[in-house]
Amino acid sequence: GENVEQHPSTLSVQEGDSAVIKCTYSDSASNYFPWYKQELGKRPQLIIDIRSNVGEKKDQRIAVTLNKTAKHFSLHITETQPEDSAVYFCAAHRPSNYQLIWGAGTKLIIKP
Amino acid sequence: GAVVSQHPSWVICKSGTSVKIECRSLDFQATTMFWYRQFPKQSLMLMATSNEGSKATYEQGVEKDKFLINHASLTLSTLTVTSAHPEDSSFYICSARERQGPNEKLFFGSGTQLSVL
Repeated sequence: GENVEQHPSTLSVQEGDSAVIKCTYSDSASNYFPWYKQELGKRPQLIIDIRSNVGEKKDQRIAVTLNKTAKHFSLHITETQPEDSAVYFCAAHRPSNYQLIWGAGTKLIIKP
Repeated sequence: GAVVSQHPSWVICKSGTSVKIECRSLDFQATTMFWYRQFPKQSLMLMATSNEGSKATYEQGVEKDKFLINHASLTLSTLTVTSAHPEDSSFYICSARERQGPNEKLFFGSGTQLSVL
């Protein structure tokens, strides 16, 4: 079945630097790739998403890139701030049954 | 964006009792809702897919007689944990699928922390 691998599991960056989180998926039919941010004890919040007909999408300090051939997509956060500290999850949409297959999560730590 | 209301946010119960968790889409109709559980420092694990007016589809390893799901309307799905045991203690989250033309997004409830004593 579909599998999504996410790396790294923990990422620590200096405030102001950039952070990159990478995910790979196995089902070539996947066509939608959202990224969620989850702060401690709270629900996951959608921060950005990309569809399979687009290679890159940007929203202020956040960007996502998609390489369909290699079946991987990445989240880029520039000029990181303390409030960016959270767990980030990638997911791939399984169109056959509308499910999201989740990555294991990346704990992002922004060092002051 | 769309809002999904989940209640209760926190519940403590005795072992052997049942607990019901509600998930409502407040400003859109959700033909499909998903139920997840999340253990500390882990990812979301899909338990079941709930379709309005039909039986839920459970993931492998999830006991359907223990985790009863009812999706009676386009805005409400409920998860009942029957005969709860301490190992059922977890963070349960629902999500509702909103479809706008060819696009669809998932919106999450705020989650329910279940503690079984």
